[in-house]
Amino acid sequence: DADVTQTPRNRITKTGKRIMLECSQTKGHDRMYWYRQDPGLGLRLIYYSFDVKDINKGEISDGYSVSRQAQAKFSLSLESAIPNQTALYFCATSDFSGSSYNEQFFGPGTRLTVL
Amino acid sequence: QQQVKQSPQSLIVQKGGISIINCAYENTAFDYFPWYQQFPGKGPALLIAIRPDVSEKKEGRFTISFNKSAKQFSLHIMDSQPGDSATYFCAARGNFGNEKLTFGTGTRLTIIP
Repeated sequence: DADVTQTPRNRITKTGKRIMLECSQTKGHDRMYWYRQDPGLGLRLIYYSFDVKDINKGEISDGYSVSRQAQAKFSLSLESAIPNQTALYFCATSDFSGSSYNEQFFGPGTRLTVL
Repeated sequence: QQQVKQSPQSLIVQKGGISIINCAYENTAFDYFPWYQQFPGKGPALLIAIRPDVSEKKEGRFTISFNKSAKQFSLHIMDSQPGDSATYFCAARGNFGNEKLTFGTGTRLTIIP
């Protein structure tokens, strides 16, 4: 089984609809992240959480909200979807790094289309 | 504001050749510089990472060259193979207490026979 899973893998929705993307991990990591990927823009951080009680905005958090339900679960919500939120969304997890580098492990992604 | 600039956007290299992808950064507080590889339909995966006090790191056919004074780093893929065809992202990590990754815009690499 995959260590980082995302549901759904594909979603088509309409403008104004509320949608939730879910992420689960079995790696036992405390840190979880949500990114969106757009062609030519790379990966941009939406929200991140360093533990269950910690939620932080990333560089593009407007229009999004998150919930950290447990160490293993981190959900991303679009309260009222708009077409420019059409993108590929990735969840990632990592362990505390300190002075070394601990990689971020990415899920398989959710392709979201907002019509 | 793009803090990590990556070039080229796309690259075509013949099998057996050397692929070179370049990145430049602005924030001197970055303390790690990883490269991620992404195949179609998959999430990115760590390829190799370097600290700024090291000028070069090699793992197999993949080498990071780092120039701290110029605030530039690059990925070199020696003896490029069709299986290396993927999108590559450079990234930079904030230092202790701010360990977020800032990614470059990505390079789509195609290795042709």
